[in-house]
Amino acid sequence: QSVLTQPPSVSGAPGQRVTISCTGSSSNIGAGYDVHWYQQLPGTAPKLLIYDNSNRPSGVPDRFSGSKSGTSASLAITGLQAEDEADYYCQSYDSSLSGSKVFGGGTKLTVL
Amino acid sequence: QVQLQESGPGLVKPSETLSLTCTVSGGSISSYYWSWIRQPPGKGLEWIGYIYYSGSTKYNPSLKSRVTISVDTSKNQFSLKLSSVTAADTAVYYCVRDGGRFDYWGQGTLVTVSS
Repeated sequence: QSVLTQPPSVSGAPGQRVTISCTGSSSNIGAGYDVHWYQQLPGTAPKLLIYDNSNRPSGVPDRFSGSKSGTSASLAITGLQAEDEADYYCQSYDSSLSGSKVFGGGTKLTVL
Repeated sequence: QVQLQESGPGLVKPSETLSLTCTVSGGSISSYYWSWIRQPPGKGLEWIGYIYYSGSTKYNPSLKSRVTISVDTSKNQFSLKLSSVTAADTAVYYCVRDGGRFDYWGQGTLVTVSS
């Protein structure tokens, strides 16, 4: 059971928009800690996709965007492409139990 | 461009200690935090702990009793030791630069716990 809750899977057709939610609590996202998102293509290491809730590292297309509100965060992908098919993870910090960096359980994005 | 490379045995016996080293190239290990993250086959990511170049550490409470992370700034390396391993510790282990977010990752190394 992950501290941050993500849907196990989402899907969309090429060109469509999809969102992936990340729900936390008052000890992590709700406490004001930043949320980061990672993309993991099959057989590869995760890659930083969004940092500090809504910022894109250099080289990440602007089709990817992030937002945060209350105890939740979201990743949006517009203009869906076949190459976006991957696992996506949110990550934050949790202040309970001596503090720990925590991940969501991951969301598998399928491009139909 | 910072690069990280994990090294160590790919097979460890139950009850023994898993030992991995991460070599950082393309930048200094100083002035950053460095984490270990693992991913069991077919499952999600789990943060194990981090070390600052000065040697201060923080560990995941669920693993704290078994984990030791150390740093060797002269070799630009940091290391992970996980004791009393079981099959549940079988995973791909990643070393990562930790600047609040995990911005540089090693390719990962699969460690299997089996007799």
